[in-house]
Amino acid sequence: EVQLVESGGVVVQPGGSLRLSCTASGFTFDDYTMHWVRQAPGKGLEWVSLISWDGRSTYYADSVKGRFTISRDNSKNSLYLQMNSLRTEDTALYYCAKDSNRQQLVLVPDYWGQGTLVTVSS
Amino acid sequence: EIVLTQSPATLSLSPGERATLSCRASQSVGSYLAWYQQKPGQAPRLLIYDASNRATGIPARFSGSGSGTDFTLTISSLEPEDFAVYYCQQRNNWPPYTFGQGTKLEIK
Repeated sequence: EVQLVESGGVVVQPGGSLRLSCTASGFTFDDYTMHWVRQAPGKGLEWVSLISWDGRSTYYADSVKGRFTISRDNSKNSLYLQMNSLRTEDTALYYCAKDSNRQQLVLVPDYWGQGTLVTVSS
Repeated sequence: EIVLTQSPATLSLSPGERATLSCRASQSVGSYLAWYQQKPGQAPRLLIYDASNRATGIPARFSGSGSGTDFTLTISSLEPEDFAVYYCQQRNNWPPYTFGQGTKLEIK
């Protein structure tokens, strides 16, 4: 059974930093592209970032480019999101999600974690 | 950036009825459109990918159609567990890949 468990969400002040983690199980982690998708309270879904299965390719939404960094440690079946220079508009539930096909950038997340809440507030 | 517009924003129907949800893209996305279901307090669940392919374990009452700029998600006969928010997502032109704003399917 595929499981994705996010952690690291807390309340942080504007301008602060935070690192989110996602631990994966139930599939061959190093075969799949991974995503971060966020959802502001009461709002819709917004793609944040993705990283290829081998970690060589990363992509970001314009809203986070230059502030967030995605990474992975395939030896630990873990995905990360380093978030710097946080803004109030970054407040959201952050989901980790697995792409649907092995060793491709398919961009169809087929399994999602339950999310971790990041609140940026003074 | 491709904008996806979903309609209606809210759809009120009764169990057993047929639901038709629409997603329109600001430019062609070919067949690279997916649909997700999200229930309160839960993560999104993939229903349909590439416009018309059901994901693993998705009941046959869910079907998708369309290509180019106009897409439809149809639920042939609503079950109580189908009342949720539905999102479309395109992957034809990225980054970014984008989601629609959602359609809330509520019990009438």
